[in-house]
Amino acid sequence: AAGVIQSPRHLIKEKRETATLKCYPIPRHDTVYWYQQGPGQDPQFLISFYEKMQSDKGSIPDRFSAQQFSDYHSELNMSSLELGDSALYFCASSPTGTTNYEQYFGPGTRLTVT
Amino acid sequence: AQSVTQLGSHVSVSEGALVLLRCNYSSSVPPYLFWYVQYPNQGLQLLLKYTSAATLVKGINGFEAEFKKSETSFHLTKPSAHMSDAAEYFCAVSFSTGNQFYFGTGTSLTVIP
Repeated sequence: AAGVIQSPRHLIKEKRETATLKCYPIPRHDTVYWYQQGPGQDPQFLISFYEKMQSDKGSIPDRFSAQQFSDYHSELNMSSLELGDSALYFCASSPTGTTNYEQYFGPGTRLTVT
Repeated sequence: AQSVTQLGSHVSVSEGALVLLRCNYSSSVPPYLFWYVQYPNQGLQLLLKYTSAATLVKGINGFEAEFKKSETSFHLTKPSAHMSDAAEYFCAVSFSTGNQFYFGTGTSLTVIP
């Protein structure tokens, strides 16, 4: 079965640079979520989109922005990177209009800021 | 406030022993509860979920969990630990479809040969 695809899987950037993470949800999933997992921490919700509109917002820094495109893939744009942004970034997707409440997680993008 | 608490950040069990990982939630509305497992440098894999059907939920790899509303708990158990169960386990709660997940702080399970 198709899973959530995230690219790149690993990314190394320097401080003050920008990064773009991409997420391709499972086909026919119209909701996308972004989570950040710092070293030794639990995943923290950043932002979500439903039908290309922002549906919920968590602890996402103002330096970050995200969007969902017409093909439902999503991109997380991160600017003025800081050392503290080093983390594993998960994307998850879910279908709506069903009773399935599960979120399907991708393998994550490991971002290292040096 | 809605949240989930995992008691015990580190749990060690002997191979073949019972695994019990604790999860309690606080919520003013009916929750949907999940357990995920994370192996080193990997993503989150769903073990099982409770979405208001049967209170005893069976998942993959021999794990199961029981939703107890009176105790606001959703503890994860496995009768006999295997070496391959060593991983980080996260309890998560959601409150409706399309809403964010709130994760617990995780429990690292070590299995001793």
